[in-house]
Amino acid sequence: AQKVTQAQTEISVVEKEDVTLDCVYETRDTTYYLFWYKQPPSGELVFLIRRNSFDEQNEISGRYSWNFQKSTSSFNFTITASQVVDSAVYFCALILTTDSWGKLQFGAGTQVVVTP
Amino acid sequence: GAVVSQHPSRVICKSGTSVKIECRSLDFQATTMFWYRQFPKKSLMLMATSNEGSKATYEQGVEKDKFLINHASLTLSTLTVTSAHPEDSSFYICSASDGKLPDEKLFFGSGTQLSVL
Repeated sequence: AQKVTQAQTEISVVEKEDVTLDCVYETRDTTYYLFWYKQPPSGELVFLIRRNSFDEQNEISGRYSWNFQKSTSSFNFTITASQVVDSAVYFCALILTTDSWGKLQFGAGTQVVVTP
Repeated sequence: GAVVSQHPSRVICKSGTSVKIECRSLDFQATTMFWYRQFPKKSLMLMATSNEGSKATYEQGVEKDKFLINHASLTLSTLTVTSAHPEDSSFYICSASDGKLPDEKLFFGSGTQLSVL
């Protein structure tokens, strides 16, 4: 079975600080996808990124960046120069490429609080 | 982009009544939709997979008679919480895949906060 661990329950930062969210996963399969979702107070889960297990290239999208390291089974997420609008719960998730969407395994989530 | 609409966003009901939650895919057809339950400060737990035109597939421990799922069309799935009790109070979220290969995405509704008095 797959498992996703987000050890940080809550992170509080002051605006403009950087914040890194940790995600460690467990799977015996070699082909899988990793995701990050954002859940603002409104409740909707917003898709941020999907990573294929074969693609370890790090990615940057605006103030967001992701560090995927298969050697440590980690897929960490960094928000640079945080803003109040970044306050949300962030979920890391994993699914095997052979599984249906119903098998998407979420981590427990990390609450990010950005104060002005 | 693709959008999943969930309604209502919040509902308060009396114990013993039934509540229906709707999940619609607005600009794509979804043969499969998913229903999750989320407790405060917790992750999403899959409750069931809703299949258009057939019976839903429930996860272990989820009461089929308590949580009725109907997926009558390719754009609508409904979750009915029957004879709701305070312990059913939770945040319910639906999702649907747009099925667009090779970059298929899963989209989530905005959730429904159910409070049973």
